[in-house]
Amino acid sequence: AQSVTQLDSHVSVSEGTPVLLRCNYSSSYSPSLFWYVQHPNKGLQLLLKYTSAATLVKGINGFEAEFKKSETSFHLTKPSAHMSDAAEYFCVVSVTGGFKTIFGAGTRLFVKA
Amino acid sequence: ETGVTQTPRHLVMGMTNKKSLKCEQHLGHNAMYWYKQSAKKPLELMFVYSLEERVENNSVPSRFSPECPNSSHLFLHLHTLQPEDSALYLCASSQGAGGGREQYFGPGTRLTVT
Repeated sequence: AQSVTQLDSHVSVSEGTPVLLRCNYSSSYSPSLFWYVQHPNKGLQLLLKYTSAATLVKGINGFEAEFKKSETSFHLTKPSAHMSDAAEYFCVVSVTGGFKTIFGAGTRLFVKA
Repeated sequence: ETGVTQTPRHLVMGMTNKKSLKCEQHLGHNAMYWYKQSAKKPLELMFVYSLEERVENNSVPSRFSPECPNSSHLFLHLHTLQPEDSALYLCASSQGAGGGREQYFGPGTRLTVT
């Protein structure tokens, strides 16, 4: 069975400071992992994905995530936050060959000027 | 139109009404999904269609009835809904329906059941 836990429901940072959004997962098989972002009144947009290639994955808008199998983690980072990064972020796990897609509860990122 | 579009964007319906949500994807994908996004709950996968056949149905009540007439269109027919069905309903599409596929989402339909 698969599950995903986003460790923080809210994260607040100042503009120009680093962002860290934490995600732990559980999967019986080799997982595919994703981060999506949802801005208010918009659908979800894919930031990046991991599918068993390089463990450090680079995404759009300067975000990246590192797959750590030993820690079952897939944390999302960005070196310098921008006001436009304020949104809700979802960590997602799925298994190749299956259809189930499990979303985390989301982390709301606030960026202060 | 580009990407994934959903209509209507907002819908208010009574518990005895019948209505339909429409999703259209302009990406040439062959798989489509319905999700429910409720306040303070994770997104819930409702249905998956691959090549116009339903391949996943996550124990969704029968008052929700999906239809996929072709690979570009997906409908969600609603009847005798309950107030707890009020939520944002998101449609997505992907190339292939297996795990590991990137999904592209529409903006959603905000449904309120009175």
